[in-house]
Amino acid sequence: AQKVTQAQTEISVVEKEDVTLDCVYETRDTTYYLFWYKQPPSGELVFLIRRNSFDEQNEISGRYSWNFQKSTSSFNFTITASQVVDSAVYFCALSEENNYGQNFVFGPGTRLSVLP
Amino acid sequence: KAGVTQTPRYLIKTRGQQVTLSCSPISGHRSVSWYQQTPGQGLQFLFEYFSETQRNKGNFPGRFSGRQFSNSRSEMNVSTLELGDSALYLCASSLDQGGTDTQYFGPGTRLTVL
Repeated sequence: AQKVTQAQTEISVVEKEDVTLDCVYETRDTTYYLFWYKQPPSGELVFLIRRNSFDEQNEISGRYSWNFQKSTSSFNFTITASQVVDSAVYFCALSEENNYGQNFVFGPGTRLSVLP
Repeated sequence: KAGVTQTPRYLIKTRGQQVTLSCSPISGHRSVSWYQQTPGQGLQFLFEYFSETQRNKGNFPGRFSGRQFSNSRSEMNVSTLELGDSALYLCASSLDQGGTDTQYFGPGTRLTVL
């Protein structure tokens, strides 16, 4: 069965520090997709990245980077030089291709607080 | 392009009442999914609609239902409200069937049941 674990419930950092949010997933499928979403205090989930299981190349987008390792079933998210605006709850999600229509399974989320 | 819109944004109901929430997807998106978010259970999948058909349903009682119209707009209905139904209800749309496509979320409807 699908499962997503985000072991870090809450993280606090001081502005300009780097921070890594962990995501570990479980799946029986060989084809699956991983996602990260940000949920600021306003409540709307904001899409950050989508990665399929065949693409293990790390990705960098500005201050954001993602490290996908199938060997450890992890898809970690790093924010470099964090800013106060990065304060939010971050969710990792998994979707399996064979669970047609199953939709996403979300992790419990990690609340990130960036202090000035 | 306009994002996913949800109405109303806030709702207060009492136990036993019923409620209908509305979601308008991004133009061109045919799949609409609904999620319930609570502090205790996190984000849980309710159901997904594609071309007016329910494709899948999460583990929720029959009091939770939904439908999709020909213009892809969707509504979800909760009957006989219980205190535990208080939650943020999020709607998401995607181009295809939603299983693996990126889902774009609306701002949510915050339902409070008294």
